[in-house]
Amino acid sequence: DAGVTQSPTHLIKTRGQQVTLRCSPKSGHDTVSWYQQALGQGPQFIFQYYEEEERQRGNFPDRFSGHQFPNYSSELNVNALLLGDSALYLCVSSLGLGRDEQFFGPGTRLTVL
Amino acid sequence: GDSVTQMEGPVTLSEEAFLTINCTYTATGYPSLFWYVQYPGEGLQLLLKATKADDKGSNKGFEATYRKETTSFHLEKGSVQVSDSAVYFCALRNTGTASKLTFGTGTRLQVTL
Repeated sequence: DAGVTQSPTHLIKTRGQQVTLRCSPKSGHDTVSWYQQALGQGPQFIFQYYEEEERQRGNFPDRFSGHQFPNYSSELNVNALLLGDSALYLCVSSLGLGRDEQFFGPGTRLTVL
Repeated sequence: GDSVTQMEGPVTLSEEAFLTINCTYTATGYPSLFWYVQYPGEGLQLLLKATKADDKGSNKGFEATYRKETTSFHLEKGSVQVSDSAVYFCALRNTGTASKLTFGTGTRLQVTL
């Protein structure tokens, strides 16, 4: 049973560019959340998708957007990249909303130069 | 809003020493509380959880008790091993359909022989 998978593992972009990160949830899971983890910090909630709709959003600007597909996989898009967007981006999956059992992916390390 | 405060690291201990990592929280309602662990080069893993006041979560020799009166969820282990070296994150999830986890900044534990 595959866990949460994310691609790519690492990514280097320059300021002003756009990036798309991808996530496949754990088998059977229908809910995906995204977190940003800056170096030396705890993860910060970006948003959550369920039934292909954004259900909850953290304090992130509109440059951060997402999508969930019918197969429950998800994308995180970040436009107009800033140096401060450099971080580990984590995908988390669960079965339904409001669940304590949530599974983290290994993350995508984004470096903005 | 919700917040989690945990003790600053790094914490350096000798093998077989007693471990305490302090965690306090601020939240409306009745949150679930968690400890996650991040081993070097790996993703976050749930270590233990407690869902209501006075509950004790335990796993792999680690314990934490949900103390509503002091809004605390301190992590303890009676005898640490070198393999426990990792970053430990305290987190909460508020009630209802929200899945958002609010994390502390993490505490790095280094155990030496």
